[in-house]
Amino acid sequence: DAKTTQPPSMDCAEGRAANLPCNHSTISGNEYVYWYRQIHSQGPQYIIHGLKNNETNEMASLIITEDRKSSTLILPHATLRDTDVYYCIVSPLTNAGKSTFGDGTTLTVKP
Amino acid sequence: ETGVTQSPTHLIKTRGQQVTLRCSSQSGHNTVSWYQQALGQGPQFIFQYYREEENGRGNFPPRFSGLQFPNYSSELNVNALELDDSALYLCASSLVQGETQYFGPGTRLLVL
Repeated sequence: DAKTTQPPSMDCAEGRAANLPCNHSTISGNEYVYWYRQIHSQGPQYIIHGLKNNETNEMASLIITEDRKSSTLILPHATLRDTDVYYCIVSPLTNAGKSTFGDGTTLTVKP
Repeated sequence: ETGVTQSPTHLIKTRGQQVTLRCSSQSGHNTVSWYQQALGQGPQFIFQYYREEENGRGNFPPRFSGLQFPNYSSELNVNALELDDSALYLCASSLVQGETQYFGPGTRLLVL
């Protein structure tokens, strides 16, 4: 079973920040939070990951709560092309390839 | 740098048949994981191969088997196909000690 819980769908206005939440209340101390996005019928694409500190890269920011039981993926200026399914997963760094995915959040960016 | 590739892109089989799907890992990656993704669901972990040995398996029956070759490419074999095996099959490569996995475009399998 997936170790994460995400809302099935969210809407966001184009140009605004998209904030996608994820609950991982049973996360272990050695598990990282990873985020992927998946365009319809293609393989998931890596976005960002983190352990306990907030992370930022050219694609997004990841905010992890202090107790590590939840996190938020932030797409700072959402575009129509950001309409995708977004997956949050938890995995030890050394087992990044054995991940259990939930059903993700379908983000719809509207003009 | 070459990304993860999979073949074929689409495949149609009938119940009871056998199928082999292929994956070439990203350059420098020695670990390959396979996932099954049913329509409307997230990817489900099937198994992982590291240095030609199975290195972890999800909740899939033995009729799902695999191989990894010395060049780190991999095959997924499914015997006695069932209708519920219809799905997108994804391959992902990573370093065992790496930080992330890189997915291929997938093979869409339809079992009739």
